[in-house]
Amino acid sequence: EPEVTQTPSHQVTQMGQEVILRCVPISNHLYFYWYRQILGQKVEFLVSFYNNEISEKSEIFDDQFSVERPDGSNFTLKIRSTKLEDSAMYFCASDEGAWGETQYFGPGTRLLVL
Amino acid sequence: AQSVTQPDIHITVSEGASLELRCNYSYGATPYLFWYVQSPGQGLQLLLKYFSGDTLVQGIKGFEAEFKRSQSSFNLRKPSVHWSDAAEYFCAVNNQGGKLIFGQGTELSVKP
Repeated sequence: EPEVTQTPSHQVTQMGQEVILRCVPISNHLYFYWYRQILGQKVEFLVSFYNNEISEKSEIFDDQFSVERPDGSNFTLKIRSTKLEDSAMYFCASDEGAWGETQYFGPGTRLLVL
Repeated sequence: AQSVTQPDIHITVSEGASLELRCNYSYGATPYLFWYVQSPGQGLQLLLKYFSGDTLVQGIKGFEAEFKRSQSSFNLRKPSVHWSDAAEYFCAVNNQGGKLIFGQGTELSVKP
């Protein structure tokens, strides 16, 4: 069965550093998402992306965050200057259709900002 | 604003017992409704979903859920729990626009 993959599985960084989280969505999917889950809290939507543009973003997704599809397969989330409160599990998801009917999630990247 | 409430943070059931995980949502129209499961170290796996039609939906791993519009609920059930069902379960909704809104999650423990 096709799956969404994410790298790295864990990342530790110093506050103020830039991080790039990588995702490889399912190959025929066109809609891509990033979510995050702070330890002990609910999974929160960050951003959705389609046709090389952001479709929707949450209040969390401020100027420190950016997303990109640099090639035909990868989908990245960049945090320019990490803060302690960015420590979380970050999930990538992809979907074939626009209505969010079946989002497939990756295993997540656990980011720890020290 | 749309929201999802899972009132039970942690539930423990004995293996072979039945299970019901509660989910209530707040939304103006009928949203798309989902249940996901997350095993330790794994991503979120879709168990089942409801869009319209029959209010009882069947999912993978023997799970089912019932949509009750009058109660704004979408509870997940399983008649006989297996030890491998121990995981965290998330109810989610979307407004047919892609973005998923998740509940807090319910952690299920299974006693032998």
